[in-house]
Amino acid sequence: DSGVTQTPKHLITATGQRVTLRCSPRSGDLSVYWYQQSLDQGLQFLIQYYNGEERAKGNILERFSAQQFPDLHSELNLSSLELGDSALYFCASSPLAGGGNEQFFGPGTRLTVL
Amino acid sequence: GQNIDQPTEMTATEGAIVQINCTYQTSGFNGLFWYQQHAGEAPTFLSYNVLDGLEEKGRFSSFLSRSKGYSYLLLKELQMKDSASYLCAVRALNTGTASKLTFGTGTRLQVTL
Repeated sequence: DSGVTQTPKHLITATGQRVTLRCSPRSGDLSVYWYQQSLDQGLQFLIQYYNGEERAKGNILERFSAQQFPDLHSELNLSSLELGDSALYFCASSPLAGGGNEQFFGPGTRLTVL
Repeated sequence: GQNIDQPTEMTATEGAIVQINCTYQTSGFNGLFWYQQHAGEAPTFLSYNVLDGLEEKGRFSSFLSRSKGYSYLLLKELQMKDSASYLCAVRALNTGTASKLTFGTGTRLQVTL
């Protein structure tokens, strides 16, 4: 158990819908990262927040947005869902943001878009 | 940008040694990570290299050559539970508090009897 929690574990929804994925980092970790893992693309970095502010952005679609709240939990919002958005979404956290910090991954949310 | 290559699949025998290679091209380098991921589960951290050389941690070792853009993960005394995907990831050279890991597609290792 990494100490990172994600809810829900599974999510099934329809095309065009909007969903929110939630992540609570390990106690004391200030950085939160979101990743998408689909079968054909591997683990793709989406976005990083550090102490409430966006710090790095990957190939995150405009239909996706995220935020980190004052209590350091984070939410990833996915809207106008498409079939291709079906994937495992992982959240990770680390104590700081740069340097040689290991990222601790949560168990993931499996999103299925029908 | 960054490009990371690693073999798609490997097979090895229980008790043996296996080496998983990773080559990368990056416009800025600030460390290389190896993660283990069992199917449907979260990646778990194995090792981190930022300087050239070998880092040893029990049955697992990782090597880095920055000039060659090359790393390998060495697994000794293989056990059946080592059957998993092994992900190589490179951290970009960012300033301040930004940090971005780019992952390879992973090497699926099958350990057989």
